[in-house]
Amino acid sequence: AQSVSQHNHHVILSEAASLELGCNYSYGGTVNLFWYVQYPGQHLQLLLKYFSGDPLVKGIKGFEAEFIKSKFSFNLRKPSVQWSDTAEYFCAVNPRSNDYKLSFGAGTTVTVRA
Amino acid sequence: DTEVTQTPKHLVMGMTNKKSLKCEQHMGHRAMYWYKQKAKKPPELMFVYSYEKLSINESVPSRFSPECPNSSLLNLHLHALQPEDSALYLCASSQGRGQLNTEAFFGQGTRLTVV
Repeated sequence: AQSVSQHNHHVILSEAASLELGCNYSYGGTVNLFWYVQYPGQHLQLLLKYFSGDPLVKGIKGFEAEFIKSKFSFNLRKPSVQWSDTAEYFCAVNPRSNDYKLSFGAGTTVTVRA
Repeated sequence: DTEVTQTPKHLVMGMTNKKSLKCEQHMGHRAMYWYKQKAKKPPELMFVYSYEKLSINESVPSRFSPECPNSSLLNLHLHALQPEDSALYLCASSQGRGQLNTEAFFGQGTRLTVV
């Protein structure tokens, strides 16, 4: 079975600072990779996804993530955060062989101070 | 329409009650999911229906009973729950196995409190 690790439990930063959230997964086969965001009181929304191709993927709201296969990593970045980026961020993985089994990391709470 | 709609938004039930959670999507997705999310924790997969058949049951207690009446609807029947079952229950849908872009779309959830 696959597993997902997110390195940071809670990140606090000021507006305009850069953000990087780490995500590593453990699985021997090919995977699909996702970052979801959950704003306070709202549903989970997809930020970006990687299935194949260019390992640098761009998502909504200025987020991007880079898949590094050799490191089993899929880190999320944003060059300049805004107060509205305050949310819970989840990295998620499903194996290509059983793409119904989406597994989530523990999540990172991001607090952006104005 | 890229929405997954869940009702009710909030539910308080006693341990002897029977209630149902409902989920609906009109994106033509053929896979539908139930997840459970406790506070400050990630969603945990409970059930997956694929083409209206139960595909995955993650060893969920029988007091939770899923039902998929058609490709657009998913229910979760609740009976004799325990207080520790209090959580946010999320429904999701995706296109189906082997399809490209198999991302899951999530509903807003039903916040369940068992008293």
